[in-house]
Parts: sequence; C-alpha cells; structure tokens
Amino acid sequence: SAVISQKPSRDICQRGTSLTIQCQVDSQVTMMFWYRQQPGQSLTLIATANQGSEATYESGFVIDKFPISRPNLTFSTLTVSNMSPEDSSIYLCSVALRETQYFGPGTRLLVL
Amino acid sequence: QKEVEQDPGPLSVPEGAIVSLNCTYSNSAFQYFMWYRQYSRKGPELLMYTYSSGNKEDGRFTAQVDKSSKYISLFIRDSQPSDSATYLCAMSRVGGQNFVFGPGTRLSVLP
Repeated sequence: SAVISQKPSRDICQRGTSLTIQCQVDSQVTMMFWYRQQPGQSLTLIATANQGSEATYESGFVIDKFPISRPNLTFSTLTVSNMSPEDSSIYLCSVALRETQYFGPGTRLLVL
Repeated sequence: QKEVEQDPGPLSVPEGAIVSLNCTYSNSAFQYFMWYRQYSRKGPELLMYTYSSGNKEDGRFTAQVDKSSKYISLFIRDSQPSDSATYLCAMSRVGGQNFVFGPGTRLSVLP
C-alpha cells in the first residue's frame, strides 16, 4: 500500500486568488492522479501526472486553470488558479500502485 | 450506457443486517476490481481488491466478481454503525490503466 499526505487539509479562499495543494507519497510511484469531488458526488478525474512529462488533462479541465507539477516520483502539486465559488470542492490526489489506486485524505476548499 | 453503474442509494439497514452493494459495467477489458469505503469528509480507502472472476473474503466483507455477467458485488455481514459510509466500486484494465469509478452508494447502518 501507499501512505499519502496532502497539504493543506482545508482552506477558505477569496475569489480570484490561487491555491496550491501539495501531495506527498511515502514511496516512489509512476502515476499520480488529481481528482475533484463535489459534495455528495463521485470522483471526477482532473488530470494524470507522470514524472518527467506533461500532465494529461481530462475533458473540461485545462492547464491554465489547474497547473500541475510533478518534480519527482514522490511529490506533486495542483494549483487551482483564479478561483471562483464553483471551485469549492474536495481535491484528492491518488497514486497507482500495481493495479489499484490509493488516495490521500483530500483538501477541502471553500471559495468565497 | 455509462461505463460503470451503481445504485446511488441511500441505503439504510438495521445493525446486524447483511448488506449487498452492486455494480455493473460494460467494458469486458476490465480485469481488476476494487471496492473503496469513503467516510464523510475523508478520502476513499481501499477495502477490497480482486482479480478476474470469483470471491474474496476479508473478515465481514466478501467481494464477488462475475465477469460473464459484468457484475460485481460487495457483501457486508453483521453490519455495524461504523460501516456507515459511501462505497465506491472501481475497476481497471491490465497494467492498471484506465481506472473507472462508480458513482458510489451511500450506506447507513442504524443502531
């Protein structure tokens, strides 16, 4: 298994600002993922982040709004840029280990 | 047709009941099947992981996969209030590619 930590665990931000979420894994992994989860909803994949290459974004998500860094095999960041209240959500990072995924505890974001 | 379908619930059962949670899928390329438990305001936690068809048991939990019917189930025996959570099914192809998650079923076990 993998142990994943995220920072911050929660934040309240003002409209128009940006927030960077950090994800740290206790082992080296190739594939990391960033998800968004609206209250009471299922997981929506934002992008896949592989070390040494550009992140691959899902339909409806763009790099200008959600830039991702993946500097090494144990760390990634997701930035939510120019935030609006519609960005209020839980943001989760996960890693692929063998044929399954392990999730971090999530970052709860509220945009006012 | 959605790739993975799951009854969203909510499902309410009395303590001690046997719970059956189910997912159907459409893509026969899926080989690995998972169940996650997600408590409110927490990240999903991997509960069970199976490969191909068959049953897997872990304590009060049994995961069942029927690839011929494209149907997977999670059974919870002697359900407890602490089992109250949202349960998501998930599946992936060989090599761990193309993970797909179900929408989740919200379960409440009433004392």
